[in-house]
Amino acid sequence: QKEVEQDPGPLSVPEGAIVSLNCTYSNSAFQYFMWYRQYSRKGPELLMYTYSSGNKEDGRFTAQVDKSSKYISLFIRDSQPSDSATYLCAMTSVDAGGTSYGKLTFGQGTILTVHP
Amino acid sequence: GAVVSQHPSWVICKSGTSVKIECRSLDFQATTMFWYRQFPKQSLMLMATSNEGSKATYEQGVEKDKFLINHASLTLSTLTVTSAHPEDSSFYICSANGGAGGAKNIQYFGAGTRLSVL
Repeated sequence: QKEVEQDPGPLSVPEGAIVSLNCTYSNSAFQYFMWYRQYSRKGPELLMYTYSSGNKEDGRFTAQVDKSSKYISLFIRDSQPSDSATYLCAMTSVDAGGTSYGKLTFGQGTILTVHP
Repeated sequence: GAVVSQHPSWVICKSGTSVKIECRSLDFQATTMFWYRQFPKQSLMLMATSNEGSKATYEQGVEKDKFLINHASLTLSTLTVTSAHPEDSSFYICSANGGAGGAKNIQYFGAGTRLSVL
């Protein structure tokens, strides 16, 4: 079983739809949770990050972390064709001083297509 | 946000030659930089972690003599693919831990380098 599981999709939605992307994980030591967006042949772009449990909102994007269930989500409201990309969840653990061990554990990525 | 610049974005080379890829943190100091390789339709595979002023730590299965990493300053790391062969053709991406506070635990990525070895 992989440490982080992410439904690879592909996911196809109409413009304006609400998109829900999810990851589950098994390592309870993970403390930082990130969502990246990757366009074809480009590096991943950080969308949001969350420390520990809770919600975080930024414009049309909302990230949720439920550590008790080891489940994280990214919601995209009013989706646009420009949101079409691969979305990667990633997470990392930290030491007692709050510093990351460095390595990220990624999900497999979900391919999203928003059609006009 | 933190900006990571990676050059070149695309390089084509002949088999047997060496290629250098640069990764720069533009508006922050990066004590740790990472190098990834990505195959089509797959997630990122960590190749090595480099800390400024020390030797890089390579992941299992990555040839350190093939993929030379230098992290000479807090804003620059380079990856040199030595004696490149067609099987080294791939998408290479660097990242850096950046910012202060909790953001220092977040990795910011470069745009990637597409390497094609003929």
